[in-house]
Amino acid sequence: DGGITQSPKYLFRKEGQNVTLSCEQNLNHDAMYWYRQDPGQGLRLIYYSQIVNDFQKGDIAEGYSVSREKKESFPLTVTSAQKNPTAFYLCASSGGASMNTEAFFGQGTRLTVV
Amino acid sequence: KQEVTQIPAALSVPEGENLVLNCSFTDSAIYNLQWFRQDPGKGLTSLLLIQSSQREQTSGRLNASLDKSSGRSTLYIAASQPGDSATYLCATISGGGADGLTFGKGTHLIIQP
Repeated sequence: DGGITQSPKYLFRKEGQNVTLSCEQNLNHDAMYWYRQDPGQGLRLIYYSQIVNDFQKGDIAEGYSVSREKKESFPLTVTSAQKNPTAFYLCASSGGASMNTEAFFGQGTRLTVV
Repeated sequence: KQEVTQIPAALSVPEGENLVLNCSFTDSAIYNLQWFRQDPGKGLTSLLLIQSSQREQTSGRLNASLDKSSGRSTLYIAASQPGDSATYLCATISGGGADGLTFGKGTHLIIQP
């Protein structure tokens, strides 16, 4: 089945830890995105990548890092510098270059600080 | 910077009714507009994509329209069913795509059996 796979579904982080969220797509899409969703705030863009080995900061990139070494993979690391990481994280992909292609989302990872 | 607003924030209607969800955006120079559905604790499911050159798109009981000049889109749901209960989100791509998708905060829809 084609689609986007996020793992894990639930993740618990202790204070001061870095954690990495996985996002893999087999849609052959160029563009990939990470969003954060908080109650009442809507989705906010963390990072995006239009092509392998290139990525750009979104609106709320502080405390996060990404890599794009392969077309199908776009992992997100939540670092200890992110002071309020508890949220629902969503990964998406789209064809990218034409800007007129449909975006698809994974099922999300819920991160909780313990 | 693009801003997307969805009205109403919440809506509860009896089963069988036709209903309209509204989405407005401030920058009319969009590449496309996409409607999504989100069930509690789940990711987003794409419902309809309207490209900037199109006026509407239809899928089953769903019809989405786009008026770029006025900065508005509507999602029409015909003959609503309890299974339609979810949060509906609209999103635009504009500004060369550099901002990714810009989302509204969604409309939380409840269809009463």
